[in-house]
Amino acid sequence: NAGVTQTPKFQVLKTGQSMTLQCAQDMNHNSMYWYRQDPGMGLRLIYYSASEGTTDKGEVPNGYNVSRLNKREFSLRLESAAPSQTSVYFCASTAGYSYEQYFGPGTRLTVT
Amino acid sequence: TQLLEQSPQFLSIQEGENLTVYCNSSSVFSSLQWYRQEPGEGPVLLVTVVTGGEVKKLKRLTFQFGDARKDSSLHITAAQPGDTGLYLCAGGSNYKLTFGKGTLLTVNP
Repeated sequence: NAGVTQTPKFQVLKTGQSMTLQCAQDMNHNSMYWYRQDPGMGLRLIYYSASEGTTDKGEVPNGYNVSRLNKREFSLRLESAAPSQTSVYFCASTAGYSYEQYFGPGTRLTVT
Repeated sequence: TQLLEQSPQFLSIQEGENLTVYCNSSSVFSSLQWYRQEPGEGPVLLVTVVTGGEVKKLKRLTFQFGDARKDSSLHITAAQPGDTGLYLCAGGSNYKLTFGKGTLLTVNP
């Protein structure tokens, strides 16, 4: 089982460029999440999708958009990247009846 | 806004020592989880506690959920270098998890 996969693993962007981070899970989970992790700040929720067809804002949604493409895939888009979005981004999923989340390996994004 | 405070933020100990990490909140959570994260990887779930006063053991790790379901502790007995990592607690409510900022544990040989 691959679990939760994320692409790309590393990315460098220039200010103003756009990109989409991809996430897929093969565990038939209902809920999916996007977090960012910054030194000293812990994991902060950007957006989540409690079930296919729904998305909701988390703690730090500004500058991001998401798409729940189907039950397996949940993408995160940066329309106009800013240096403040330099971070490590994690995707996670859960069955929905449980809070036990399974995380992907992360995408390390640098915006210059 | 629900907050989880973890202490200590950093902990460096020698192999064989015991340690306790704390996770405290003013909010009640449906469940509380502990994750461990190694450098360059995503967090990995260690345990979930649901019932107030619950104690769970995972080899040398003992997890306790407070009676009021607002706090938790993680105790490691005879720490080993392989225990090194970032320990995160997380409280579940309304389909979401709220994470603490973590305790970075280093166990020196």
